[in-house]
Amino acid sequence: AQRVTQPEKLLSVFKGAPVELKCNYSYSGSPELFWYVQYSRQRLQLLLRHISRESIKGFTADLNKGETSFHLKKPFAQEEDSAMYYCALSAQLTGGGNKLTFGTGTQLKVEL
Amino acid sequence: DAGVIQSPRHEVTEMGQEVTLRCKPISGHNSLFWYRQTMMRGLELLIYFNNNVPIDDSGMPEDRFSAKMPNASFSTLKIQPSEPRDSAVYFCASSSGTLTNEKLFFGSGTQLSVL
Repeated sequence: AQRVTQPEKLLSVFKGAPVELKCNYSYSGSPELFWYVQYSRQRLQLLLRHISRESIKGFTADLNKGETSFHLKKPFAQEEDSAMYYCALSAQLTGGGNKLTFGTGTQLKVEL
Repeated sequence: DAGVIQSPRHEVTEMGQEVTLRCKPISGHNSLFWYRQTMMRGLELLIYFNNNVPIDDSGMPEDRFSAKMPNASFSTLKIQPSEPRDSAVYFCASSSGTLTNEKLFFGSGTQLSVL
């Protein structure tokens, strides 16, 4: 069974401070990991996925298989980063398709 | 494309009533997901359809919940009878393929309040 853990429900940082949103996973196969973000009054949307090894809006996330982690990081937080962040893990189903399992989410609040 | 369309946006009902939530996925997408969002549990996958066929419904909480996808452009999630603990935001999402790195597109959600 696959499981995603986000230990912090709320993370509050000051503008300009570094941000790290923690995500740990449990999965027996080869994981595909994602970060989704939900800004106030907007739809949940993809922020980044580990396979792309990309930086989006200054955020990066590195898959660490040894620690089974996929923490989201940004060196300098901005006010517009305030949002709910979900870590997610995708796994193939025997019946076809893939199943995306989300963590419980972390609310990031960037204060001035 | 208007994206994934859900209706209604808000639903307020009384305990015991039947509730039907609707979803129109993005045209051409063959995977559809229903999620429930609560403060305590975050986003929980309720059921997943691939090519209109339910593949995984292990997340459906109990028999009061049912979901259908009669065609590629429409899905419903029904709760009968509804209970106050069903109050949550219900999201529908779709994706274009079956690869594990596929991106999900979410609807705006239905805010359900059961009194």
